[in-house]
This record gives sequence, structure tokens and C-alpha cells, in this order.
Amino acid sequence: EDQVTQSPEALRLQEGESSSLNCSYTVSGLRGLFWYRQDPGKGPEFLFTLYSAGEEKEKERLKATLTKKESFLHITAPKPEDSATYLCAVQAANSKLTFGKGITLSVRP
Amino acid sequence: GAGVSQSPSNKVTEKGKDVELRCDPISGHTALYWYRQSLGQGLEFLIYFQGNSAPDKSGLPSDRFSAERTGGSVSTLTIQRTQQEDSAVYLCASRRGRNTEAFFGQGTRLTVV
Repeated sequence: EDQVTQSPEALRLQEGESSSLNCSYTVSGLRGLFWYRQDPGKGPEFLFTLYSAGEEKEKERLKATLTKKESFLHITAPKPEDSATYLCAVQAANSKLTFGKGITLSVRP
Repeated sequence: GAGVSQSPSNKVTEKGKDVELRCDPISGHTALYWYRQSLGQGLEFLIYFQGNSAPDKSGLPSDRFSAERTGGSVSTLTIQRTQQEDSAVYLCASRRGRNTEAFFGQGTRLTVV
């Protein structure tokens, strides 16, 4: 069974304090790893797709990386508007998307 | 439309009633997913449609839950004889192809009283 574990469950940072969010996974035949951001009361918003180990993607203060067992979402010099829940999902060969429980990030000004 | 549209955005129903939740995917997207998100929990997979293939129903929690997708576009998730534990946000997502990103709607918040 495909599994996704995200850690920590919650993270509180001071504005400008860089950190990383972890997503560990086991999946039969990885076809893609996806990162999403979810604000309260809204649907998840797509951030990145990673397809193979060693791949990296960047967008503003966010950088996603992928190994054969885990992915990291690095946040550089975060701002309060980066506060949200960050979700990681893996796609197996059968096209099912399995999500982790998410990491709630809070950035204090 | 520009994005995935779900209706209603909120639904309050009495225990034992049936409810229908609607999802309009992005035009041209062949794949459609339904997920359930309970308070403070991650996304629980319910069902997946891909083109004209038989849907993957492996995530439906009981036979009270069913879904259909008509004409390869609009999808309806039906919950019969609702129970209080069905209260959650139901999210729909669509994607263009098998390995592309999925785009989510805003969800339907279902409350069973």
C-alpha cells in the first residue's frame, strides 16, 4: 500500500527563519510527487511536480527536491503570507494520488 | 470555466437524508478525483475516473457512497442515508493526463445534523 508521511505535523517559524518540510514515501512505481499549499477553507493549490530523484523545482521562496525515498520543501526567508498547510502527494503507476496529512506552517512577523 | 467548480459550497442535511455533490472539472481534463477531508486530517481518496475506463472505487468507505461521471465531464458524488461521520469537506480534482498535476475545486462542506 502506498504511504506518505509528512513531518513535522506543525512548524512555527519567525519571519526570515529558513527551514525544511519533509515528505517520506513508499509507492509502487512512482510516477510523480506533488506539493500543494492549502489555505483554511480553500482547496489545495498546486505548487510543484517532481518526477525523478535528483530533480529540483523553485518558485519564489520555495524549493522542492526529490530523492528515492523522500522529498523536501525548503522555505527560504519565509514571510507571514507563507503560513498555510503544505501537502505532499505521490502518484503510483495506477494513477492513484495518495496524500500525506500535511504540515501546518505558521510564520510570525 | 477556468477552474474546477464544485456545488454547493456548503450543505447541511439531516441524518438519514441523501445528498448529491457536484463537480465540474476543467474543460478537456480526462481524469477526475474525489477526496474527503475531515477536520485536521489529510485527504482521503474516494474514487478516480480516467476517460472511459472503469472507475477506481477502492476508496469509497461504504455502499452508501457512489459516484458517476456523465459524458466524461461533470461528476456527481451521492451519499445515501447520511450519517454524522460523513460530515467533512468533499474535494474534487481534475487533471489533463495521467502524470500531470491535479487541480482542485474549493470543496463542498457537508454537515450532517
